[in-house]
Amino acid sequence: KQEVTQIPAALSVPEGENLVLNCSFTDSAIYNLQWFRQDPGKGLTSLLLIQSSQREQTSGRLNASLDKSSGRSTLYIAASQPGDSATYLCAVPGANNLFFGTGTRLTVIP
Amino acid sequence: GAGVSQSPSNKVTEKGKDVELRCDPISGHTALYWYRQSLGQGLEFLIYFQGNSAPDKSGLPSDRFSAERTGGSVSTLTIQRTQQEDSAVYLCASSLIGQSMDEQYFGPGTRLTVT
Repeated sequence: KQEVTQIPAALSVPEGENLVLNCSFTDSAIYNLQWFRQDPGKGLTSLLLIQSSQREQTSGRLNASLDKSSGRSTLYIAASQPGDSATYLCAVPGANNLFFGTGTRLTVIP
Repeated sequence: GAGVSQSPSNKVTEKGKDVELRCDPISGHTALYWYRQSLGQGLEFLIYFQGNSAPDKSGLPSDRFSAERTGGSVSTLTIQRTQQEDSAVYLCASSLIGQSMDEQYFGPGTRLTVT
């Protein structure tokens, strides 16, 4: 069974810093990897989806990379803002579902 | 366009009662997924619907849980004889193609509290 791990579990940074969130998975035979954001008491918002043939994907201040062979992905957030405070989840697909990591709770201090 | 919607947003019920949770997927999406997010735990898969195919029920935790999808659109998750351990946020997602090959879009969730 696929296992997804995210490190760190929580991260607190001052506004303006660049930061990296890590995601690792045990089975490298994946179609894609998806990064989500979850605000407290809310659902999940999709941030980026990287196909297995891609090495990275960018959206605004976010850049996600994927290294299938090593079973790793990183989410880079540039020039962090207080509005970036949320829990970030990565997920990889199984046969008919997504396997999620337990998330990294990010706090950006003004 | 409209995203995935779920109702109710919050539900408080007494132990032993039955509850129904509703999901309206994005129009045109053939695949629909239910997940559960319990306090202190990650998201776990419950059930998957794709078109007219038989659903993948492999994630349902017990026979008290069931789900249906009518007309290939709206889905209802039913929990019978609720227990306190059923308290969680129930999230629904839909995608265009399915089989987790494409992007999943999530609804806001239903927070279920069993007292």
